[in-house]
Amino acid sequence: EIVLTQSPATLSSSPGERATLSCRASQSISSFLAWYQQKPGQAPRLLIYDASNRATGIPARFSGSGSGNDFTLTISSLEPEDFAVYYCQQRSYWPLSFGGGTKVEIK
Amino acid sequence: QVQLVESGGGVVQPGRSLTLSCAASGFTFSDYALDWVRQAPGKGLEWVAAISIDGINKYYADSVKGRFSIYRDNSKNTLHLHMNTLRAEDTAIYYCARDFHSISGVDYLGAWGQGTLVTVSS
Repeated sequence: EIVLTQSPATLSSSPGERATLSCRASQSISSFLAWYQQKPGQAPRLLIYDASNRATGIPARFSGSGSGNDFTLTISSLEPEDFAVYYCQQRSYWPLSFGGGTKVEIK
Repeated sequence: QVQLVESGGGVVQPGRSLTLSCAASGFTFSDYALDWVRQAPGKGLEWVAAISIDGINKYYADSVKGRFSIYRDNSKNTLHLHMNTLRAEDTAIYYCARDFHSISGVDYLGAWGQGTLVTVSS
């Protein structure tokens, strides 16, 4: 099973700041990684797929990078609605697996 | 637009069974593989099970293998999860999700329902 480790667990930032979230895979998953955003009381929403492609309707301030074992989600300038929990997920191997999440909170 | 609506959650005693359902609309149901993902209270996401477009191939997390069964009815655009021998650690919100790519195998999850809460407690 592929284990995805996200860091940091919590990121305290202010609106307008840049946020950088990390996801590390226990073995190489090529570029088969997605990022999701989840707000309280809501279902997750797909942001990024195949490591760097934005899903439909996702603002350009969200970008993804990486391949192999190490991946990054960058939010270039945090908007108030971006404070949420972010999860990475791999589709390289069964079983599908998610990282433990990074909570982006207002400083 | 794509809509997934779960039902069937509730409070159930340990060791008992429960079946969840997911009604889908807004897309060609038989073109997409489907998944169940759960989230324990205050915890992260855990993939539970997936089923291929024709219902033949099924995949399960080790934590539920042998106890849960996923199946679909393409004539009624519905997905189901039958859960046997429930345990306290199965307590979670259960989300129905549609694969991102059509006619795919292991995939990302491009659309999600709002979830249904299952509480396993005596």
